[in-house]
Amino acid sequence: GAVVSQHPSRVICKSGTSVKIECRSLDFQATTMFWYRQFPKKSLMLMATSNEGSKATYEQGVEKDKFLINHASLTLSTLTVTSAHPEDSSFYICSARQGPNYNEQFFGPGTRLTVL
Amino acid sequence: AQSVTQPDIHITVSEGASLELRCNYSYGATPYLFWYVQSPGQGLQLLLKYFSGDTLVQGIKGFEAEFKRSQSSFNLRKPSVHWSDAAEYFCAVGAMDSSYKLIFGSGTRLLVRP
Repeated sequence: GAVVSQHPSRVICKSGTSVKIECRSLDFQATTMFWYRQFPKKSLMLMATSNEGSKATYEQGVEKDKFLINHASLTLSTLTVTSAHPEDSSFYICSARQGPNYNEQFFGPGTRLTVL
Repeated sequence: AQSVTQPDIHITVSEGASLELRCNYSYGATPYLFWYVQSPGQGLQLLLKYFSGDTLVQGIKGFEAEFKRSQSSFNLRKPSVHWSDAAEYFCAVGAMDSSYKLIFGSGTRLLVRP
């Protein structure tokens, strides 16, 4: 159990376009989902916390208008990178937390975004 | 503020040798502690976690970790490393507030010599 999927696993886009990444909890309801960004050979940087039915909470330094997060249901959160630029190229990982009691986060396999 | 330090960027061990990956955290109370493993191009897999109780925690793939409050450490160990253990290992501490955030260390890359 506790499987999290991401789609797509890999995406290449042109500069200036927008890209949507989906994160789904397949066999549980996720009250909270998290979005991370990982640069090559670096650790995970938390971008935002997404709670179902409410606005995402962004970490300091993360542009809200650049990285749009929607958590429309208890099993789906989406991250949209708007007007992507080459510096947005990265590995994006989502995780989901089973509620209401504290449990570990279950991570998706990640999405490799390359902006040309 | 909470923080996690993994002092070793790279560690190389021979297959069959023992392994210890270091992790130190900064937090005032007893934290929630985790070790994750990441293979290249993949997401993170939980190896083990510590919430409370027995300070020696057993995980998957033969890993264990010991919580030492006096040293603010949560080191990961394995008695005999296999070539398939080569990966990136992340220690993380869970926020004790309602955010449930995870704060990750910078990671340790494990290389295994045949």
